[in-house]
Amino acid sequence: DQQVKQNSPSLSVQEGRISILNCDYTNSMFDYFLWYKKYPAEGPTFLISISSIKDKNEDGRFTVFLNKSAKHLSLHIVPSQPGDSAVYFCAADKLSGANNLFFGTGTRLTVIP
Amino acid sequence: DAGITQSPRYKITETGRQVTLMCHQTWSHSYMFWYRQDLGHGLRLIYYSAAADITDKGEVPDGYVVSRSKTENFPLTLESATRSQTSVYFCASSEGQLNQPQHFGDGTRLSIL
Repeated sequence: DQQVKQNSPSLSVQEGRISILNCDYTNSMFDYFLWYKKYPAEGPTFLISISSIKDKNEDGRFTVFLNKSAKHLSLHIVPSQPGDSAVYFCAADKLSGANNLFFGTGTRLTVIP
Repeated sequence: DAGITQSPRYKITETGRQVTLMCHQTWSHSYMFWYRQDLGHGLRLIYYSAAADITDKGEVPDGYVVSRSKTENFPLTLESATRSQTSVYFCASSEGQLNQPQHFGDGTRLSIL
């Protein structure tokens, strides 16, 4: 049973526009959320994270929003650049766990020049 | 360069053979992890280790064995490979502190014929 879900397998956005990637989770014990970016033939690279005590975290062009009541988080990329084209994975962790991450299935973002 | 390296990058073997995937990190991170990535599942945790000589099962441990005699190494062994174990395997490490991201290697693509 997939506890972290990314329901959009792919997303295409024009360069300069906003990209919004969505993630839903089912386990209310999750309290730390991360986004990873993955290029072909490489490992996932950590992008940004958010703790459940916050509802927003920003790092440059990347902002993650967390809506705990809806068990939903989103990653906003503004402005989108062609180099952002990659697969993005959402992941979640439990405070009581040993850094055991639960991953979504990923969303392939294509930024069109 | 400091980081996390996996070897081999690609491996083809036959069912019933034993195969070992290597993982080495230079950060002296206490935690190390093994994941497999399959279409439709994202990344799933196989085993993890909190320190040398301490290992524990993840979500999909069956058919795998791990050991951690040294902090920097965390090999994963398939004792008798099956076709269902064809996958891309990722090793990761983290400092183990609360809310610290995991850092991934570039993966091993394993094909079992």
